[in-house]
Amino acid sequence: GQQVMQIPQYQHVQEGEDFTTYCNSSTTLSNIQWYKQRPGGHPVFLIQLVKSGEVKKQKRLTFQFGEAKKNSSLHITATQTTDVGTYFCAGPTYDSASKIIFGSGTRLSIRP
Amino acid sequence: NAGVTQTPKFQVLKTGQSMTLQCAQDMNHNSMYWYRQDPGMGLRLIYYSASEGTTDKGEVPNGYNVSRLNKREFSLRLESAAPSQTSVYFCASSIYNSPLHFGNGTRLTVT
Repeated sequence: GQQVMQIPQYQHVQEGEDFTTYCNSSTTLSNIQWYKQRPGGHPVFLIQLVKSGEVKKQKRLTFQFGEAKKNSSLHITATQTTDVGTYFCAGPTYDSASKIIFGSGTRLSIRP
Repeated sequence: NAGVTQTPKFQVLKTGQSMTLQCAQDMNHNSMYWYRQDPGMGLRLIYYSASEGTTDKGEVPNGYNVSRLNKREFSLRLESAAPSQTSVYFCASSIYNSPLHFGNGTRLTVT
């Protein structure tokens, strides 16, 4: 079946360093969503990308959707301790727009 | 505005016991979802309901049943709990093609 994979699984950075997580789907996605989950919390929506090659920014966060709509990335510039958590990408499957599956997530930890 | 409400927040079951996890949303969303998240893992889709009156299997449906009681409520039932079902269960809802809104989760332990 369709799979959504993320790398790396873990990332430990010094505060102030940059961070990037990559998301790859085995099939073309109509859109991709990014979520953040703080330790002990629930996933919270960050952004949705729809167009091929789309780039969106939220302060220090930059999101990209690949030209083929099969991959995406999230880049955080100058990480802060508030960025700690697990970042997930998610998207609808090819056979059902309502069936949303998640990537395995990238857990970000930060050394102050 | 409550959003997505899940009950209970915690539950301990013995192997073979049954229980129902409740989920309700007050945002008039069409679609509702049940995911499970094992320690250090991602979210895996158990079942979803694209609209009132419909339910469909997700990635890991075995051992579970669901009921879309009405537009607001979507329950998940474990008929005979197994230790492998120890997990955190999240309910979510959305309007078609829009982001998911999650509940706070139910932490289930099966001994």
